[in-house]
Amino acid sequence: DSGVTQTPKHLITATGQRVTLRCSPRSGDLSVYWYQQSLDQGLQFLIQYYNGEERAKGNILERFSAQQFPDLHSELNLSSLELGDSALYFCASSTTGVRNSPLHFGNGTRLTVT
Amino acid sequence: KNQVEQSPQSLIILEGKNCTLQCNYTVSPFSNLRWYKQDTGRGPVSLTIMTFSENTKSNGRYTATLDADTKQSSLHITASQLSDSASYICVVSFTSGTYKYIFGTGTRLKVLA
Repeated sequence: DSGVTQTPKHLITATGQRVTLRCSPRSGDLSVYWYQQSLDQGLQFLIQYYNGEERAKGNILERFSAQQFPDLHSELNLSSLELGDSALYFCASSTTGVRNSPLHFGNGTRLTVT
Repeated sequence: KNQVEQSPQSLIILEGKNCTLQCNYTVSPFSNLRWYKQDTGRGPVSLTIMTFSENTKSNGRYTATLDADTKQSSLHITASQLSDSASYICVVSFTSGTYKYIFGTGTRLKVLA
């Protein structure tokens, strides 16, 4: 168990809809990262938050947004969903500032857009 | 451009056999290299981490090597088991303003009985 909790595990929704994915990082970790993994593809970095503030942005679409709350949990909001947004969305956390600190991944949310 | 390339894309071996997975990177300035194992439908789990000065690191039947001069790493799996069937991902970290991670696309390993 990595200590990172993601909810829900599965989500099925229709095109054009909006969903929110939730992540609780490992206790003590201040950084949260969001990744997208499409079928048989590698992990694509979306965005990173550190202690409530956006730290880095990757290939995140304008239809997607995220935030990290004071209790350090994070939410990824996906809107105007398209079929191509169907993927596994992973959250990871780390103790930023500690050199060689690993990323600890949750087990992901599987999003299916129909 | 910072990149991490892995080979082969996929591999099928018989239970009990050994195998070696490759990772080449063009990431600078290099901080560390980590191998992750990702079971189907699960989050990746860290296997080993190596810094610039380390050549070899073992974790049970997993042995990772690093050649910082040629920017190559390998993951050797000894006496494979069915449970080794997974994707193995090479991740290189570097610092450019902030601490960043570059992911390879992974090698999908299938171990057959």
